[in-house]
Amino acid sequence: AQSVTQLGSHVSVSEGALVLLRCNYSSSVPPYLFWYVQYPNQGLQLLLKYTSAATLVKGINGFEAEFKKSETSFHLTKPSAHMSDAAEYFCAVSDRGGYSTLTFGKGTMLLVSP
Amino acid sequence: GAVVSQHPSWVICKSGTSVKIECRSLDFQATTMFWYRQFPKQSLMLMATSNEGSKATYEQGVEKDKFLINHASLTLSTLTVTSAHPEDSSFYICSAIIGLSGTEAFFGQGTRLTVV
Repeated sequence: AQSVTQLGSHVSVSEGALVLLRCNYSSSVPPYLFWYVQYPNQGLQLLLKYTSAATLVKGINGFEAEFKKSETSFHLTKPSAHMSDAAEYFCAVSDRGGYSTLTFGKGTMLLVSP
Repeated sequence: GAVVSQHPSWVICKSGTSVKIECRSLDFQATTMFWYRQFPKQSLMLMATSNEGSKATYEQGVEKDKFLINHASLTLSTLTVTSAHPEDSSFYICSAIIGLSGTEAFFGQGTRLTVV
């Protein structure tokens, strides 16, 4: 079985500041890892995914994440926050060798202040 | 890109009635679709996996007689909440993958169900 822990239900940053959203996972097999963003009353949009290729993954909207096996982490970062980045972010893991069955973390709400 | 559309976006119904939510893949064939439930300020919980032409596979604790899933075609899966109660009020989201193994899960925009 797999699980995902997102540290911090809310993260507040100023516009232009570094964004760091933390995600730790547990999985009995090599995982596939994902970050999704959700805007209010909308579905999920894939930001980026790790599928056992390069450990540093670049996604959309300037986000990137690094897979660290020794730390079982997949933290999401963005060098400079924008007001439009304010949303809920979910880390997810798949342990069946595919993208289909996902286990989600509880989510982190990113708040961006001017 | 692949688009998944859910309908309706929101619905209000009376206790005891049934509500049907549709999930359509607009520009690809989806052999497998997934239904999630999301409570306020919480994560997504997988309810069931829907496979075209066969019975859905429900997660532990999900009542299959209450949440009826039909996947009659490669582009449409429906979730029917039967005899709805206020505790069924939630945000329901579907996702779909392309092909049998799936290369990425595409999510619908969700349906907000309120049972009064």
